[in-house]
Amino acid sequence: RKEVEQDPGPFNVPEGATVAFNCTYSNSASQSFFWYRQDCRKEPKLLMSVYSSGNEDGRFTAQLNRASQYISLLIRDSKLSDSATYLCVVSLSGSARQLTFGSGTQLTVLP
Amino acid sequence: NAGVTQTPKFQVLKTGQSMTLQCAQDMNHEYMSWYRQDPGMGLRLIHYSVGAGITDQGEVPNGYNVSRSTTEDFPLRLLSAAPSQTSVYFCASGGTVRFQETQYFGPGTRLLVL
Repeated sequence: RKEVEQDPGPFNVPEGATVAFNCTYSNSASQSFFWYRQDCRKEPKLLMSVYSSGNEDGRFTAQLNRASQYISLLIRDSKLSDSATYLCVVSLSGSARQLTFGSGTQLTVLP
Repeated sequence: NAGVTQTPKFQVLKTGQSMTLQCAQDMNHEYMSWYRQDPGMGLRLIHYSVGAGITDQGEVPNGYNVSRSTTEDFPLRLLSAAPSQTSVYFCASGGTVRFQETQYFGPGTRLLVL
């Protein structure tokens, strides 16, 4: 079983749509949680950290459910520029070190 | 401020050859790491370093060596390349932005082992 599991997609959505990605992790000792974004043939970049209380950054909302070991990312009002692969990432440390990555969910926003 | 730089961008090796992937950062970060990315598998941690002179193994260290003689540089050495090491290699360094530690990744090195 993979430590971090994501639906690989692809998700093809029209501009303006709301799309949600889900992720589960297997190690209950995980302490830090993130969503990264990776454009085609580029390096991953931090999109946002995920906190137990949930957090929002503009059109992006992340939620964490520790009891279910489940992480989500909601993108509202999708833009063409949101097309990318979204990586769910966890760490056993209380910081962003020694990251464990999911294999990613591919999103294409269509005009 | 160049961030994290990696060289070369692309490399083709024959089985059994050795090479060094270079990684440098100019952000004075203590923490640096190497990942490999294979299709359908996500990034996997190879080695990491918490400071000059200190290195440790990640999830997939076999076939790779690292050293950290300076804060800036963290080279990854392939001792005897195998086709299974065909991958995209990312170097990352860790720093704090707005009181939160985050990882900054380099642009990657695409390696093909024939």
